[in-house]
Amino acid sequence: DVKVTQSSRYLVKRTGEKVFLECVQDMDHENMFWYRQDPGLGLRLIYFSYDVKMKEKGDIPEGYSVSREKKERFSLILESASTNQTSMYLCASGGGTTNEKLFFGSGTQLSVL
Amino acid sequence: QKEVEQNSGPLSVPEGAIASLNCTYSDRGSQSFFWYRQYSGKSPELIMSIYSNGDKEDGRFTAQLNKASQYVSLLIRDSQPSDSATYLCAVPMNSGNTPLVFGKGTRLSVIA
Repeated sequence: DVKVTQSSRYLVKRTGEKVFLECVQDMDHENMFWYRQDPGLGLRLIYFSYDVKMKEKGDIPEGYSVSREKKERFSLILESASTNQTSMYLCASGGGTTNEKLFFGSGTQLSVL
Repeated sequence: QKEVEQNSGPLSVPEGAIASLNCTYSDRGSQSFFWYRQYSGKSPELIMSIYSNGDKEDGRFTAQLNKASQYVSLLIRDSQPSDSATYLCAVPMNSGNTPLVFGKGTRLSVIA
């Protein structure tokens, strides 16, 4: 059974903290993505990666960075958490040329106080 | 920037009826289209993909594509309460190996 695992289901952090969200996939996919999902705004792409040590900005990269040191792991970093980064964060991996078959992790609900 | 538009709903249909979910997209050059289903508190999962004009059927689900009108729809026949979810329309950002752009989703409620 395919799996995308996100390290935490719920996370509470304070403003200004550095936050790490981890994502691991076991499908040997080259492509991995970080989205955030907010009511009324839908899924928005933060960063993505097509290969180890490679990263591309999505639509809303400000305040975030990523790391991909190994093929199976893609980490999202909030350098200095702010309240407007309170959101559901979804990691996904995808195979194929158009990434249509995306497999999502169960998500991390991050609250920044 | 590609845009994908969906009516947010909620769309309420009685059990056994046909649910019709609609999506329009901004880029006339888009070639592939996807429907994801997201249950409350869960992650999205792919349920249908369509690449050519016309209809594509998979069980109770039918995807319909009209590229001239830049319109894609999802029909759910014999709707069941278990179909109650948010349905997300998605298109690739560009051609080739590229992320998906998602619509904001339509919430469907099937009333028993």
